[in-house]
Amino acid sequence: DGGITQSPKYLFRKEGQNVTLSCEQNLNHDAMYWYRQDPGQGLRLIYYSQIVNDFQKGDIAEGYSVSREKKESFPLTVTSAQKNPTAFYLCASSINDEQFFGPGTRLTVL
Amino acid sequence: GENVEQHPSTLSVQEGDSAVIKCTYSDSASNYFPWYKQELGKRPQLIIDIRSNVGEKKDQRIAVTLNKTAKHFSLHITETQPEDSAVYFCAASNQASGTYKYIFGTGTRLKVLA
Repeated sequence: DGGITQSPKYLFRKEGQNVTLSCEQNLNHDAMYWYRQDPGQGLRLIYYSQIVNDFQKGDIAEGYSVSREKKESFPLTVTSAQKNPTAFYLCASSINDEQFFGPGTRLTVL
Repeated sequence: GENVEQHPSTLSVQEGDSAVIKCTYSDSASNYFPWYKQELGKRPQLIIDIRSNVGEKKDQRIAVTLNKTAKHFSLHITETQPEDSAVYFCAASNQASGTYKYIFGTGTRLKVLA
């Protein structure tokens, strides 16, 4: 799982600002995912991508956007439309069954 | 929609005792069931998984059982140690759909008391 990196580790945002979270993998995985984690709610899927230039909404996509221009990269933008963005964000990638997670980004809205 | 229910939400056991965490899934087409361990502030790590063609799988002190009829699977940790303290997540996936999308349970916080 050391092949998946996320940056930054901590991010602070003022209300009304868009911010972009980075996710990069060198595992040659086709599929990539973004999850949001809140206390007591487990991992909720925001977006996922099975192949370059294609992505699908997950369960809580509102207020978020993604792109998949390269196989290695799947950045997540948290827009001002996301009303409660403070959370821990996890990126993952997979080839076949197992998903490998990045170290996460903790986003705090000030 | 599809969902996975996980119980209990918190579990405290004495060191050396066993711990059992249970999950129930709704999508009968689910055929892959991983378990992840997440320590505080860290990323989830896969600890064991099971596929629908197997009823039980064991790896040292950890085992997982699957009852497809009841749509129920469980994680068993024997001889618990303080380093087992973490949050554990179950998940279910329908690999045949081609998406490899997981549905996660809400997590169980396990505390092993020394």
